[in-house]
Amino acid sequence: DAKTTQPPSMDCAEGRAANLPCNHSTISGNEYVYWYRQIHSQGPQYIIHGLKNNETNEMASLIITEDRKSSTLILPHATLRDTAVYYCIVRVPRNSGYSTLTFGKGTMLLVSP
Amino acid sequence: EAGVAQSPRYKIIEKRQSVAFWCNPISGHATLYWYQQILGQGPKLLIQFQNNGVVDDSQLPKDRFSAERLKGVDSTLKIQPAKLEDSAVYLCASSSGVPNEQYFGPGTRLTVT
Repeated sequence: DAKTTQPPSMDCAEGRAANLPCNHSTISGNEYVYWYRQIHSQGPQYIIHGLKNNETNEMASLIITEDRKSSTLILPHATLRDTAVYYCIVRVPRNSGYSTLTFGKGTMLLVSP
Repeated sequence: EAGVAQSPRYKIIEKRQSVAFWCNPISGHATLYWYQQILGQGPKLLIQFQNNGVVDDSQLPKDRFSAERLKGVDSTLKIQPAKLEDSAVYLCASSSGVPNEQYFGPGTRLTVT
């Protein structure tokens, strides 16, 4: 199963772009990269996912390198409400036929004024 | 649309007692998940249901944990007897079948003393 490596913590100034890196050097060709975040005392929240191409939605952008061994989640204008733990997850196929999400420890992003 | 509902939000019990958690997924979501999140770690999948059938329970400690999803809607997770190491937040999530976007409830924080 592909594993992910993320820095344990990052800081960002409010209004600036937050760039959260993730390494997944053992990802296989049919595995997707997902990003979730978890604000304190809440359940995780889906942000975005991608396979090969860069993706953008109303919350964030996902940049995946050409060799797919790493990716970056970009929050273009971070706000205080973006302070959370961000999880980079590679979807793991299971024998049951359904893919599940395996969470690591994630990156604690602290956005400050 | 209403989100995933969980109750209770908090529970304190003594070791060797039993406890049950309840989850009501988003209407129409066929897939339901229970996760355990120990302080400082990411959520760990305990069990996954597709309608009222178990898809994956490989990480469920079956000697003390049980879960059911009668009628393919609500679900109950039970621990009997509880141990100190069961202290954690228990998260319920649901998805509409394609497991790329899971919606999480607020969780139940269990403290075993």
